[in-house]
Amino acid sequence: EDKVVQSPLSLVVHEGDTVTLNCSYEVTNFRSLLWYKQEKKAPTFLFMLTSSGIEKKSGRLSSILDKKELFSILNITATQTGDSAVYLCAVEAGSNYQLIWGAGTKLIIKP
Amino acid sequence: EAGVVQSPRYKIIEKKQPVAFWCNPISGHNTLYWYRQNLGQGPELLIRYENEEAVDDSQLPKDRFSAERLKGVDSTLKIQPAELGDSAVYLCASSLEFPATDTQYFGPGTRLTVL
Repeated sequence: EDKVVQSPLSLVVHEGDTVTLNCSYEVTNFRSLLWYKQEKKAPTFLFMLTSSGIEKKSGRLSSILDKKELFSILNITATQTGDSAVYLCAVEAGSNYQLIWGAGTKLIIKP
Repeated sequence: EAGVVQSPRYKIIEKKQPVAFWCNPISGHNTLYWYRQNLGQGPELLIRYENEEAVDDSQLPKDRFSAERLKGVDSTLKIQPAELGDSAVYLCASSLEFPATDTQYFGPGTRLTVL
């Protein structure tokens, strides 16, 4: 059975800290891995990763994929209170390009 | 450009009552998705439409859930009758095409509480 596991489930840090969120997966016919940020209701897209070892970067956020070890990390440097959210990882897989979602990591940034 | 619109934002009903959710996708997006998200979990796909055709409804509980996308634009998801376990956030998303190489855009969701 396809699965996506995120860790930690929750994380509390202080403003300015650097955090690393993890996403591991076991799927058939991997297509891509996506990271989303969910504040309140709607997930918003952060990154799509398809190739190993190529870092995607957007401001203080960056992500990289390891297709050999089947995981991805999302890094946030110099965290701000506005980074507080649930970060979701999803893997696109299979012949029907199904999205398999992780349970998310709840990140709380304390001022 | 307007995003995905959903209504209502919140709905509280008693069990066994019917309920309906409405979604208006981003203009020009052919693919529409309905997801259910339980607390502390990721979204779970219920149904995917390509224009007006439901191409993946394998996870839709068909005994009580139904959906339609008339004219390939707006969509409605219905539950009848609702059960306590249906309490969740129902998310609608749309994408230009499928596979969503430019990813899916989510609406704000409808939080359903069944009492």
